[in-house]
Amino acid sequence: ETGVTQTPRHLVMGMTNKKSLKCEQHLGHNAMYWYKQSAKKPLELMFVYSLEERVENNSVPSRFSPECPNSSHLFLHLHTLQPEDSALYLCASSQGARSGANVLTFGAGSRLTVL
Amino acid sequence: GQNIDQPTEMTATEGAIVQINCTYQTSGFNGLFWYQQHAGEAPTFLSYNVLDGLEEKGRFSSFLSRSKGYSYLLLKELQMKDSASYLCAVMDSNYQLIWGAGTKLIIKP
Repeated sequence: ETGVTQTPRHLVMGMTNKKSLKCEQHLGHNAMYWYKQSAKKPLELMFVYSLEERVENNSVPSRFSPECPNSSHLFLHLHTLQPEDSALYLCASSQGARSGANVLTFGAGSRLTVL
Repeated sequence: GQNIDQPTEMTATEGAIVQINCTYQTSGFNGLFWYQQHAGEAPTFLSYNVLDGLEEKGRFSSFLSRSKGYSYLLLKELQMKDSASYLCAVMDSNYQLIWGAGTKLIIKP
């Protein structure tokens, strides 16, 4: 399989559940990202993992917890979410994190609904 | 603060030409990107501009004016499959991508 693969594609969870989103890239990239996409809003960067650094958006609530065990895999652990966390969660990868022509390759996203 | 502005929605006719504008105010500039996103799919890279001028790639062209903080994406010979959202993003001086909210393009027969 090539590109960036995200699972599950759709997830419905209650506010007390714990679940995880998984992302895998087969491109040999060195940086991976989690983005939140809400309707009619700009993409919101949540976390970046690269050889150079780990970056966290300070506005992301602690109920979102990233894990990057190696350069090919990225997880987003979810617990005690709120209905406003319902959104499309996009994973992306790139060659590096700090270069001008840093083209992102995105996965198709995990559509999360919190009841 | 940093800001990217693009129209929320545009409508065009199959076979015609459409121009999607993007204006930006960012802390520094390390390039401007355009991505295409079909409904329910991943955003895919279309173009990257770092110098002023026009970059042409088949039916799609992207223009940049750094002095005006302005870019546009030009789509020619529109096809129904061009119906999608088009995302403008600018890389600032810290190599952070600042995203616009996207322009939904509707193509009518």
